[in-house]
Amino acid sequence: QKEVEQDPGPLSVPEGAIVSLNCTYSNSAFQYFMWYRQYSRKGPELLMYTYSSGNKEDGRFTAQVDKSSKYISLFIRDSQPSDSATYLCAPMRYNTDKLIFGTGTRLQVFP
Amino acid sequence: EAGVTQFPSHSVIEKGQTVTLRCDPISGHDNLYWYRRVMGKEIKFLLHFVKESKQDESGMPNNRFLAERTGGTYSTLKVQPAELEDSGVYFCASSQDRGGSSYEQYFGPGTRLTVT
Repeated sequence: QKEVEQDPGPLSVPEGAIVSLNCTYSNSAFQYFMWYRQYSRKGPELLMYTYSSGNKEDGRFTAQVDKSSKYISLFIRDSQPSDSATYLCAPMRYNTDKLIFGTGTRLQVFP
Repeated sequence: EAGVTQFPSHSVIEKGQTVTLRCDPISGHDNLYWYRRVMGKEIKFLLHFVKESKQDESGMPNNRFLAERTGGTYSTLKVQPAELEDSGVYFCASSQDRGGSSYEQYFGPGTRLTVT
């Protein structure tokens, strides 16, 4: 069983839609939960992260962690064509620096 | 401020040959990481340097892979001899030392390695 499961998509939505991207994980020792965005032929770019359970908001993006159900979410409001990319969740245990990536969800936002 | 840079961007070699990948981290970042993504799989951790020391090399697949970071600046990852299954994208990342988990890792654009 993979430590992090993520639906690969693609997820196709119209501009302005609210997008929900999700991951599940199996390791209860994960404490940090990162979301990376990766454009084609580029490296992953850190979008935001949360520590432990709870919500964190940054502009149009909201990250949510529910440790009781081992469920990670990223919400994008008012999605734009420029949001079209692959979104990777990557949790990490405390006191390690090893990111454990999901396979990524490919998002397409059409005008 | 310059980001993480990697060289070359793409390398095509034959099975059995040697390839050396280079990574220049963000200036002042003591932590340097190597990850790779093979076709159809998720990005996986290879190893972590703190300055010139290997902190964690648990992800290195076998002894054909050798990573170095002399002087605690740039790093090289050598694959010798290369096998077909080594094909993929090799990412380097760096982060500042925060005294605990260095969760803000900044990635380079990757080196696409093709072994034929």
